[in-house]
Amino acid sequence: GAVVSQHPSWVICKSGTSVKIECRSLDFQATTMFWYRQFPKQSLMLMATSNEGSKATYEQGVEKDKFLINHASLTLSTLTVTSAHPEDSSFYICSARDDNSYEQYFGPGTRLTVT
Amino acid sequence: QQQVKQSPQSLIVQKGGISIINCAYENTAFDYFPWYQQFPGKGPALLIAIRPDVSEKKEGRFTISFNKSAKQFSLHIMDSQPGDSATYFCAASPKGAGYALNFGKGTSLLVTP
Repeated sequence: GAVVSQHPSWVICKSGTSVKIECRSLDFQATTMFWYRQFPKQSLMLMATSNEGSKATYEQGVEKDKFLINHASLTLSTLTVTSAHPEDSSFYICSARDDNSYEQYFGPGTRLTVT
Repeated sequence: QQQVKQSPQSLIVQKGGISIINCAYENTAFDYFPWYQQFPGKGPALLIAIRPDVSEKKEGRFTISFNKSAKQFSLHIMDSQPGDSATYFCAASPKGAGYALNFGKGTSLLVTP
């Protein structure tokens, strides 16, 4: 089946530093990838839609200067949390839409803890 | 505004029983209806998906039933097993590559031995 990887799987950083999370589609091409945030026992909250070679589209209320998204190739999108604060601590999950099947596959998630 | 409404919020089923989770939507532009299974600390995994040109799709113990006129779809898990205990999310999106999925709030399923 289609596989999406995320790296790192968990990260602890100090307040004020930046953290980069990578999302890769391993066996399919994905022009479109999505970034979600999930709080405990809640549904997935869409943060932004990432399209290869163009600027990401952010959902209302998501600061684009804080959550920088780059989609440089058909298999890689990155999310950089800049100047992280404790309230940014969360579970971040990416997904990639298969260009052929249009099925959307999720990565395993990244647990970010900001101290 | 929640575009996909999911119920129940939680469900307890005995081993061997049938688990049924329901979802409803309003947007008639929705054209794709997947179900995801999520275990704690993991990303959601695509279970099964359906498009509105069919009323039912079955994969192993998992079946999606789709009622276009009622704008409802449901997931049935036959012969439920303790290993099926997880959170299940329904979702929907319009046709087209650029559209994100609209998720339901999730159903926490517990299958007791």
